[in-house]
Order: sequence, then structure tokens, then C-alpha cells
Amino acid sequence: DAGVTQSPTHLIKTRGQHVTLRCSPISGHKSVSWYQQVLGQGPQFIFQYYEKEERGRGNFPDRFSARQFPNYSSELNVNALLLGDSALYLCASSSRDESTDTQYFGPGTRLTVL
Amino acid sequence: GDSVTQMEGPVTLSEEAFLTINCTYTATGYPSLFWYVQYPGEGLQLLLKATKADDKGSNKGFEATYRKETTSFHLEKGSVQVSDSAVYFCARIEYGNKLVFGAGTILRVKS
Repeated sequence: DAGVTQSPTHLIKTRGQHVTLRCSPISGHKSVSWYQQVLGQGPQFIFQYYEKEERGRGNFPDRFSARQFPNYSSELNVNALLLGDSALYLCASSSRDESTDTQYFGPGTRLTVL
Repeated sequence: GDSVTQMEGPVTLSEEAFLTINCTYTATGYPSLFWYVQYPGEGLQLLLKATKADDKGSNKGFEATYRKETTSFHLEKGSVQVSDSAVYFCARIEYGNKLVFGAGTILRVKS
């Protein structure tokens, strides 16, 4: 079975631009979460979606938004990019929205903002 | 606020040495605890988890025991290999299934 997939793998943007990152969860998983990992740090929670509804939002500005589609795939959008948005963006999926569920991570999208 | 604290790295060991990476957490209640591993240029892989106090998670020779008395979840391996070189992240669950990660510990194993 395929794991969590993310696209694109790498992305280079300039300040002020907009970016859309995509994630496909493991088949049968209904929960998708997004994390930002700045170089040398642990991942930071951005959003969680379950059954197409937002279930949680981390401490990120309104420039960050996300949605989940009927097939449970998800998009993360970032507007008005800043240099500090350069990071590895990780998507994780789990079968439900329970605290004991394991989250499985994709390989990430490396975003560089110049 | 609630957090996860890991020992600072890098940790450098010779092959077949014993490994301990310390992890402590603060939280209300008894959250599920996890160890994830990140190899160079890759995403995170679940290494092991424990969902309640006194549980022991284990995988690929790695072990960690959920100690509620000391709010700890230290990672151990009896004999490390060069292929274990990676960054190790301790994490706990917050509300729903939001993961809160430690800063990560770099492990370097030399032959």
C-alpha cells in the first residue's frame, strides 16, 4: 500500500508569492495534519482536518490556510510568503481523530523562499 | 505550557555501544507518547509508541517505557549500528491528535 504522498518535493518561491502544497493520505485514513519543520528544529503543528472539518489550528498567522477534499486529500496554502516560511512542510495522516492513533508522515515538501 | 524536552545532541557513539536519549514531558493527564526517527533528507518515521503509563514500546531493538512518576519516555538501544545514525524526536499528543515534538537529538554512530 502506498504511504502518505506529498507534492511537490521541492519548491522555490520569492517573497510575497503564494504557494499550494498537496498531500494524499494513506488509503482509508480520514485525518490529515500539517506540520512545519524549520531546519534544526522539531516539527510544529499547523492544522488538522478530519472528515473535511478543521479540528485544530496551531499558532500560525492567517496567511496559512488549508482544506480537505471529499477524497480526504488536503492542500496547504500560504499567502504573502516571507523568508521565515522556508521550511520542510510535513503532512501526516491517521485513520481517526483519536489520541492513541498513530500518525504516518509523508516525505515532506521543501519550500525555499528567496 | 505543555512541552517535550529532549537531551541535546549530537550524541556520538561507536558501533555496538549502548544508547540512551532522554525525554521528559509536561502535560495534563497521561498523553500518548511517541518516538519518531528522521533519516537525512526524509520525513518522519514512527519508531515506537506507548499509550498509557508503564507501557513499553519497542521496535528494531529500540525500547522506551512510559514512566508517569518521572514524566519520562527515554529511548534506549543495547547495541547501535551505523545505520541508526539519524535525528530522533520524542513527541506527545495534545488535544485530538496534535503532536507536540521535542527539538530532536542527532545521533551519529561511527564504525
